[in-house]
Amino acid sequence: GAVVSQHPSRVICKSGTSVKIECRSLDFQATTMFWYRQFPKKSLMLMATSNEGSKATYEQGVEKDKFLINHASLTLSTLTVTSAHPEDSSFYICSARDPLDRAGNTIYFGEGSWLTVV
Amino acid sequence: EDKVVQSPLSLVVHEGDTVTLNCSYEVTNFRSLLWYKQEKKAPTFLFMLTSSGIEKKSGRLSSILDKKELSSILNITATQTGDSAIYLCAVERRGGSEKLVFGKGTKLTVNP
Repeated sequence: GAVVSQHPSRVICKSGTSVKIECRSLDFQATTMFWYRQFPKKSLMLMATSNEGSKATYEQGVEKDKFLINHASLTLSTLTVTSAHPEDSSFYICSARDPLDRAGNTIYFGEGSWLTVV
Repeated sequence: EDKVVQSPLSLVVHEGDTVTLNCSYEVTNFRSLLWYKQEKKAPTFLFMLTSSGIEKKSGRLSSILDKKELSSILNITATQTGDSAIYLCAVERRGGSEKLVFGKGTKLTVNP
């Protein structure tokens, strides 16, 4: 079945540096991907909707200059956390929809990326 | 504002027990309700519900949607320790946006 791959699964970076997380749809083309953030013991919070070939749509309260999203191809979206701070430490998950999947489960999640900023 | 509320937030049971998890929602232009199981990583899909009153089953898990009551339940019978996880309910809206609105989840702990 369709798979969404996310990389890296874990990353540790220093405060002030930037880190990039990739989300790939492996066997389908995704015009839209979603980026979520999850704090420990909390639910998933949608950060932004990534649109292939156009600007991402950010949710209220999410800083677009801090969380840069690029969706340059139909199979790849990237989230770059710029000038990372310890409070950016979190679990980041992407998801994508397979527009051709009619089985019912049309939303697939990546494996998630644990970001720790030290 | 769209809202998804799950209850209970936390539940501890013994192996073999049956549990019922609840999800209620307030969403404009409802399209579907989804249940996910989350262990240590990303959520894994369990069910998608679009029609009221039709039960979906997968092994010991089953779920049903009540559009009149704007709610859904997830049942797990004969629980096992491997069922311990956070169960997330999410609602999808119709038209344009494909965003999911998630509830806070129910943390289920099944003790041997």
